[in-house]
Amino acid sequence: KAGVTQTPRYLIKTRGQQVTLSCSPISGHRSVSWYQQTPGQGLQFLFEYFSETQRNKGNFPGRFSGRQFSNSRSEMNVSTLELGDSALYLCASSLGGQGGHGYTFGSGTRLTVV
Amino acid sequence: AQKVTQAQTEISVVEKEDVTLDCVYETRDTTYYLFWYKQPPSGELVFLIRRNSFDEQNEISGRYSWNFQKSTSSFNFTITASQVVDSAVYFCALSEADGNNRLAFGKGNQVVVIP
Repeated sequence: KAGVTQTPRYLIKTRGQQVTLSCSPISGHRSVSWYQQTPGQGLQFLFEYFSETQRNKGNFPGRFSGRQFSNSRSEMNVSTLELGDSALYLCASSLGGQGGHGYTFGSGTRLTVV
Repeated sequence: AQKVTQAQTEISVVEKEDVTLDCVYETRDTTYYLFWYKQPPSGELVFLIRRNSFDEQNEISGRYSWNFQKSTSSFNFTITASQVVDSAVYFCALSEADGNNRLAFGKGNQVVVIP
């Protein structure tokens, strides 16, 4: 079956702009989680969506938001970009249980803010 | 709150040597799940193994093996007879079964296998 698809793979944006990243989970998976990876902070949880509802949120400012569609595809949006938002953004797909089903990650979107 | 610690940052080994990665975790839950992921230079996190907190049986899967000890909150991972393709960053992660469905990652171990 198809894996987790993230688009685009690479993005370069200017400070102050906004950006939207997309994640298509594995067919049948209802949970999509987003993570930010930076050299300094490592992998940090952003938020999780399940059945179109945000179920969990990490400790990130309100500039980071997301949504999930009825087909389970998810988008995350970052508004008013800052240099520190430069990172690899990974999404994870899972069936949606309490961690026991495991998580499959996409290849990520590498965002560079200049 | 969940926390995962991977003490070593970079480990270099000569091909065919074994390499063991240490992972110590903290959680208040009695039910949780532990994972190891591999991240090659391409960036994708590749799932390697998963254990739940009720199963301390240690297993071997190919060249991978793990040692889960609840008494010391450790979940160590070993690559036997390392190969150049094993060069990557390895992450230990924890998910609590509290409905939050989130992974807490360690800082990762950069493994360099020298031919």
